[in-house]
Amino acid sequence: NAGVTQTPKFQVLKTGQSMTLQCAQDMNHNSMYWYRQDPGMGLRLIYYSASEGTTDKGEVPNGYNVSRLNKREFSLRLESAAPSQTSVYFCATDTGTSNTEAFFGQGTRLTVV
Amino acid sequence: GDSVTQMEGPVTLSEEAFLTINCTYTATGYPSLFWYVQYPGEGLQLLLKATKADDKGSNKGFEATYRKETTSFHLEKGSVQVSDSAVYFCALSLKTYSGGGADGLTFGKGTHLIIQP
Repeated sequence: NAGVTQTPKFQVLKTGQSMTLQCAQDMNHNSMYWYRQDPGMGLRLIYYSASEGTTDKGEVPNGYNVSRLNKREFSLRLESAAPSQTSVYFCATDTGTSNTEAFFGQGTRLTVV
Repeated sequence: GDSVTQMEGPVTLSEEAFLTINCTYTATGYPSLFWYVQYPGEGLQLLLKATKADDKGSNKGFEATYRKETTSFHLEKGSVQVSDSAVYFCALSLKTYSGGGADGLTFGKGTHLIIQP
């Protein structure tokens, strides 16, 4: 079992370029999340999907879009990358019920120059 | 809004020292509390959790007790090892048992722990 798989692991973009971060889980979980991790800021929620077919904004959604393609896959798109979006991005998944453990991917390190 | 405050590092200790990482929270509801650990180059993984007042979570020699009266969830370990060097995150969740309520985790800023041999 791979758990939560993110691609790519590293990416460098120029300002204004677009890209999609991919996330897939094989845990049959309902809920999926995208976080960003910045030095001194901890992790902040960008978007989440409580179940297939639904998505909602988190704390820092501006500049991002998401797609819950099916139960397994949840992608994050940057339409026009900005240097402020330089960060490490984590996808996570859980069952969607209370007290549940979240499982994280290994992260995508994105640099926007 | 809901928030988690934890001591910021880096925290540097010698092997076999006693560890405490403080964590306090503010929440509008009755949260579940978690400690996650991040080893270099990896994603986060759950270290321990507690879901109600006075619960004690424990794993790998680490412990934390849910203190509602002081809104705290301090992480402790009696004797740290070099392999415990990592970043530790305190987090809360306000999801209800039915799956409703706020979604996602609210994290503290993380504490970088360095254990020297």
